Amino acid sequence: SAVISQKPSRDICQRGTSLTIQCQVDSQVTMMFWYRQQPGQSLTLIATANQGSEATYESGFVIDKFPISRPNLTFSTLTVSNMSPEDSSIYLCSVRTRGSDYGYTFGSGTRLTVV
Amino acid sequence: QKEVEQNSGPLSVPEGAIASLNCTYSDRGSQSFFWYRQYSGKSPELIMSIYSNGDKEDGRFTAQLNKASQYVSLLIRDSQPSDSATYLCAVNRGNTPLVFGKGTRLSVIA
Repeated sequence: SAVISQKPSRDICQRGTSLTIQCQVDSQVTMMFWYRQQPGQSLTLIATANQGSEATYESGFVIDKFPISRPNLTFSTLTVSNMSPEDSSIYLCSVRTRGSDYGYTFGSGTRLTVV
Repeated sequence: QKEVEQNSGPLSVPEGAIASLNCTYSDRGSQSFFWYRQYSGKSPELIMSIYSNGDKEDGRFTAQLNKASQYVSLLIRDSQPSDSATYLCAVNRGNTPLVFGKGTRLSVIA
């Protein structure tokens, strides 16, 4: 299965600032997915990032707040802009893996605290 | 709206017992079904996938799928304290993103 390197693993940020999260995959993948997991909650999809096209955002998430880049088939970034305490969450990237199970693999996550 | 429902728990079972986790989904077109385990502070880890009706076994884990009832379950035999975690059910169609349930917290008591 694919291996995803995600960083930073955690950060504490001041409100009003921005944080960029990076995910590097050890193989080429068509789609990368960005999720948010708020404390005690399940995973909510933010957007799907395709190489060479604009990301597709889910209802409630907008590009100005969560701009995404996908410069090649192994890398993507998610920026959390103009942060407020409500953005404090774990952010995860995910890709579909090739193999008998075709499961989806997750990065190790970025734990963001906004103060 | 596509939904995946799970009992939030906690589900407490004694060590060595069978833990039974259940999940229902609303989208009849769902094709792929996954169970993830998530330890506190960690990212989800895939433990089982199932695509057709019936049972699929992998070690101590058995996934069961009934598409007519829109129901998928996970059985964990000989439960161990190390199985204590939150179990997330996820479904999708084709290459679409996974839709997750809220997860069931399992506690295995030694």
